[in-house]
Amino acid sequence: EVQLVESGGGLVQPGRSLKLSCLASGFTFSNYGMNWIRQAPGKGLEWVASISSSSSYIYYADTVKGRFTISRDNAKNTLYLQMTSLRSEDTALYYCARQGGVWDYYFDYWGQGVMVTVSS
Amino acid sequence: DIVMTQTPSSQAVSAGEKVTMSCKSSQSLLYSENKKNYLAWYQQKPGQSPKLLISWASTRESGVPDRFIGSGSGTDFTLTISSVQAEDLAVYYCEQYYDTPFTFGSGTKLEIK
Repeated sequence: EVQLVESGGGLVQPGRSLKLSCLASGFTFSNYGMNWIRQAPGKGLEWVASISSSSSYIYYADTVKGRFTISRDNAKNTLYLQMTSLRSEDTALYYCARQGGVWDYYFDYWGQGVMVTVSS
Repeated sequence: DIVMTQTPSSQAVSAGEKVTMSCKSSQSLLYSENKKNYLAWYQQKPGQSPKLLISWASTRESGVPDRFIGSGSGTDFTLTISSVQAEDLAVYYCEQYYDTPFTFGSGTKLEIK
């Protein structure tokens, strides 16, 4: 059974940093591209970042480019999102999601999400 | 960026009724080389993570009931639920994965009368 379990969220002040993790199990993690997608409270879905299976291809939404860094450790089956210079508008539930295919950026499995609240 | 527009924003139907919801993209999602539409549909039930229902505009995921039908091509897409069940109460999102940034529609909230 595919499982994605996010961790690392919490309350953080504006301008500070936070690092999210997503532990994957139930599939061969190193074969799949992975993504972070967020959902502000009561709002819709926003794709944040994507990383290919070997980390060769990385993409970001303009809203986080230069502030967030996606990475992965295939030996640990773990996806990361390093978030810096956090803003109030980054407050959201952050989901880790698996891509459906190498170049197919639909998301076939999602974690339960981890909440990030940016507030003073 | 490709803008995804979903209508209606919400609708209420009775169990057993047929419901359709629309998703329009600001540019074509049909890739000429493989004739595929890069469009997915997700269902998000209250308090849950989104669940993939349909990819490639019309390919139902394994385990998704056949009452969920995706159709359309180019810029106009539709999700049809042929006979709504109480458990279909959810927000439905479309997503384009034709190009970065990958973008979602604002969702259609389905309520059961």
